[in-house]
This record gives sequence, C-alpha cells and structure tokens, in this order.
Amino acid sequence: SYVLTQVPSVSVAPGQTATITCGGNNIGSKSVHWYQQKSGQAPVLVVYDDSDRPSGIPERISGTNFGNTATLTISRAEAGDEADYYCQVWDGPRDQRLVIFGGGTKVTVL
Amino acid sequence: QVQLVESGGGVVQPGTSLRLSCAASGFTFGNFGMHWVRQAPGKGLEWVAMIYFDGSDKYYSNSVKGRFTVSRDNSKNRLYLEMNSLRAEDTALYYCVRDKDGGAFANWIDPWGQGTLVTVSS
Repeated sequence: SYVLTQVPSVSVAPGQTATITCGGNNIGSKSVHWYQQKSGQAPVLVVYDDSDRPSGIPERISGTNFGNTATLTISRAEAGDEADYYCQVWDGPRDQRLVIFGGGTKVTVL
Repeated sequence: QVQLVESGGGVVQPGTSLRLSCAASGFTFGNFGMHWVRQAPGKGLEWVAMIYFDGSDKYYSNSVKGRFTVSRDNSKNRLYLEMNSLRAEDTALYYCVRDKDGGAFANWIDPWGQGTLVTVSS
C-alpha cells in the first residue's frame, strides 16, 4: 500500500523558514493536501491541491509537489505556527480507494 | 457556520460494539461526502472510512474493513459509524470530517469536528 513519509520533527527559529517534507513514490502525480493540528485541537486544512491555500491561511504558508517529494514551507515562522503537520493523498483503484496520511511532523518554534 | 458534532464515544470492552454519530449543520449535508478519521492517544491521524454524498459508495481502511460500517441519514443531517468486534487498537479520538464535495477521488477533507473518544479496554 502507498506510504507517505514525514520526518518526525522540525525546529525553526522565529522569523526563519521551516520546511516540512512528505515523501511518496511518484507523489508528484497526486494531489497533496496539508493539515495543521495544534495541541488539543482538531486538524485544519492549510494547503490543498499541492499549493492552494484556503481563505484565512496566510501567504507565509505554501506548498509544492514534484517527483517523490511534496513540501510545505512556513516562512517567517511565528510562535503560533507550532503544531503537528500532516500530508494527505488518495490512493487505490476505483473499488478500493483509500485516504492516506503521513505520520506527521511536529514543528517547534524555538 | 459549518458545525460537526460527534457523539457516542465511551469505554467499552473488547469484542463489543459501539455506534458513533455526527450531527451536521450549517451546510447542505446531502451534497457532501463525509469521512471518519481517528487519532490514537499521542499518535498521528488515521483515516477510517468515507461515504459518498448519497450513500452510494463507501470505502474503508484495511484495519476496519469488515468490522466497521459507515452510513448516513440525509433527512436527519447525520453521519454514523457502526463499530463491531472492537479491539484495544481501536482506542482513539474519532473525528467526523466533511469532504470537499460529493466525494470524488483526490479531494481534500475539511472541516473537522472536535471528536468523540472511544476507549476499548477490559
């Protein structure tokens, strides 16, 4: 079955850039979505279809997807960006569709 | 605004059953596919099941296939998850989540409810 690989943790200084990767076999051929989950809260969609942002998500958060790696980038990191981030894709044939989540990356703003 | 409120969680013994419910409001429920996603304590997200807007198609993760059944009642704006033969590894916070639209492949899912906790323990 399809596997999405994320590094468990990333640290970033305030004002700097955090890069969160999501690896998968030929993931560039899929639509990747990203969710942010702050401590004690439900997840929230922050990037969809590789690089689009829902309304209310700052432009500092951006996404790319190419080859075997999708990337979520948080520029000018703030304390409020501390959260777990999960990538997500769909996989499987028509009669066995599955939603796949990556293992998540904990972002710490030092 | 869109609201998803889960209920029905609790502490149950292994091998027993439980039915979760999700009450939806703030949107036309019958136009959207719906998902269940769970999160074990301290762990990541695990997708459980989804159902098309009209209930015509349903999909399950391999870990729950054959034990869990997703259903919906569009007249009541309700989503359900019938969980049978529960195991300790089913212990998790269960989220109800709306699909981008009716349930097409590759859709994102959002928003999420606040979840209902299921604990399977003897």
